[in-house]
Amino acid sequence: EAQVTQNPRYLITVTGKKLTVTCSQNMNHEYMSWYRQDPGLGLRQIYYSMNVEVTDKGDVPEGYKVSRKEKRNFPLILESPSPNQTSLYFCASSFLGGESYNEQFFGPGTRLTVL
Amino acid sequence: LAKTTQPISMDSYEGQEVNITCSHNNIATNDYITWYQQFPSQGPRFIIQGYKTKVTNEVASLFIPADRKSSTLSLPRVSLSDTAVYYCLVVMTTDSWGKLQFGAGTQVVVTP
Repeated sequence: EAQVTQNPRYLITVTGKKLTVTCSQNMNHEYMSWYRQDPGLGLRQIYYSMNVEVTDKGDVPEGYKVSRKEKRNFPLILESPSPNQTSLYFCASSFLGGESYNEQFFGPGTRLTVL
Repeated sequence: LAKTTQPISMDSYEGQEVNITCSHNNIATNDYITWYQQFPSQGPRFIIQGYKTKVTNEVASLFIPADRKSSTLSLPRVSLSDTAVYYCLVVMTTDSWGKLQFGAGTQVVVTP
């Protein structure tokens, strides 16, 4: 089944404890992206990647890191989480080129709470 | 990036047609308009995309006037299961390639 998977789905952690949220897709997509969703703010893009070893900042990159060493994986790293990073996180992927880029496939989300 | 403006919420009854209009005044020549649907605690799901005039699929229709400064998503004969948040996005195919802005979306509530 074609899908985007995220792990963990739920995470409660404490301030300053490094964590990684994994994202993997099995559709051979070039493009991958991370979003956070907060009440009343919709989805805001954190980072995106056009292909392996190519990443760039979205609208809210502060406090986050990403890497794209393999085409299928795009982990989101919080080196020192803070309570304002408590949010619902989504990973998405798509093909690049033409209208395929417009159709983003989203993962199920990761609900993160930082105490 | 082309900023979009859409209503915060809309209410409807089952069986009615729901039309959500999105404003995107500074859309560029090569930009596409896309719409997504999101249910609570789920990731958004792509519904439809268009460049100009009208596009229809099994879920919805998208109407885009000639000046492309707005677009209207039409959901025919909605049911309770269409209660969701709907996002309008302008996808840039040239500048800022890769950046996507979803905005706050429109909460559609369908009641019996």
